[in-house]
Amino acid sequence: DQQVKQNSPSLSVQEGRISILNCDYTNSMFDYFLWYKKYPAEGPTFLISISSIKDKNEDGRFTVFLNKSAKHLSLHIVPSQPGDSAVYFCAASARKTSYDKVIFGPGTSLSVIP
Amino acid sequence: DAGITQSPRHKVTETGTPVTLRCHQTENHRYMYWYRQDPGHGLRLIHYSYGVKDTDKGEVSDGYSVSRSKTEDFLLTLESATSSQTSVYFCAISESTGLLEKLFFGSGTQLSVL
Repeated sequence: DQQVKQNSPSLSVQEGRISILNCDYTNSMFDYFLWYKKYPAEGPTFLISISSIKDKNEDGRFTVFLNKSAKHLSLHIVPSQPGDSAVYFCAASARKTSYDKVIFGPGTSLSVIP
Repeated sequence: DAGITQSPRHKVTETGTPVTLRCHQTENHRYMYWYRQDPGHGLRLIHYSYGVKDTDKGEVSDGYSVSRSKTEDFLLTLESATSSQTSVYFCAISESTGLLEKLFFGSGTQLSVL
């Protein structure tokens, strides 16, 4: 049973608009969340993270929101650019119990249309 | 870019043969990981290492073994390859400064088991 879920396998957005990628998790011990971006034929690269003590973290065009009560997080990209077209993985870690493991979701493929 | 080299980049093998994938890092990071990426599953942890000769199982470890005799090298062995092990394999490393969740990935090995 997947502990980290990304229910939208794909998403298409017009250039300049907002992209919203969603992620849900089931393990209440998760206390740190990350987003990774992956281009074809490359390894994933770290994008942005958020600790469970926060509900928002912003880095340039990227903002991650965390709703702990709903066990839900989302990544907002504003404005979206064609270079943002990639697969985005949501990931989570339970640092207090399994500090050396990061669990990934199945990914959402984002296409930004020029 | 983090100094991570995976070899080979591509491999085709036959069912029942042993296969070894190599991950080499030049960052002197303590933690090393092997993930596999499959459609609909995202990245799943196979094995990880938290030091030389210190390894542990991930969520999909059956049919795989690992070894780490030096800080810089982490080997993944498929003892008797099966078609279900056709996948893209990623090695990842992590710093020992407490930012364990921030993983740096290699470019991946595409393995096909016929």
